[in-house]
Amino acid sequence: DTEVTQTPKHLVMGMTNKKSLKCEQHMGHRAMYWYKQKAKKPPELMFVYSYEKLSINESVPSRFSPECPNSSLLNLHLHALQPEDSALYLCASSQVAGTDTGELFFGEGSRLTVL
Amino acid sequence: SQQGEEDPQALSIQEGENATMNCSYKTSINNLQWYRQNSGRGLVHLILIRSNEREKHSGRLRVTLDTSKKSSSLLITASRAADTASYFCATDEDTGKLIFGQGTTLQVKP
Repeated sequence: DTEVTQTPKHLVMGMTNKKSLKCEQHMGHRAMYWYKQKAKKPPELMFVYSYEKLSINESVPSRFSPECPNSSLLNLHLHALQPEDSALYLCASSQVAGTDTGELFFGEGSRLTVL
Repeated sequence: SQQGEEDPQALSIQEGENATMNCSYKTSINNLQWYRQNSGRGLVHLILIRSNEREKHSGRLRVTLDTSKKSSSLLITASRAADTASYFCATDEDTGKLIFGQGTTLQVKP
């Protein structure tokens, strides 16, 4: 199984809502990532988890809260978002993070619209 | 932070022609990777070239890396309509970060 599964595929939320994005992989990978992608732009790294611990936070606002409950799951909790946070949120995994990261496996993304 | 600059930003060719995309980067790297993204979908890994390699092939793909010039190129030979997508280079900075370039949008006309 070489899949990274993201749910939901689409999410519409108001600025006062609390919602979560979920990501799951069963490849035994020990590194998981959240990227944000705006239209016609490259993916921008948000967070990296290595061995279930947060290893990189790219100065992401606190209204985005990542969580890694176990080695297969990665969540992104959303609260008090702004319309400019509307984007495609991509989850990825790799065997390890750090030296010589190697290939990333991406999910299909969760398209978020903030009203 | 964005590491790579890609050139051209957009490329339109006829089916059967070759497509060449270039990527430049700024810092030293462990490896450089190329990914494809169909519109609104996730990214798919194409090929990885390590910093001590100069050229690599995979099917119709040929990647070169020039660490002295901090640049890489991706050549797709005998292109097909199904190759229509955005292509991104990504650099591994040995910090656990994979940083993507700005991307090239390729259109292959049937």
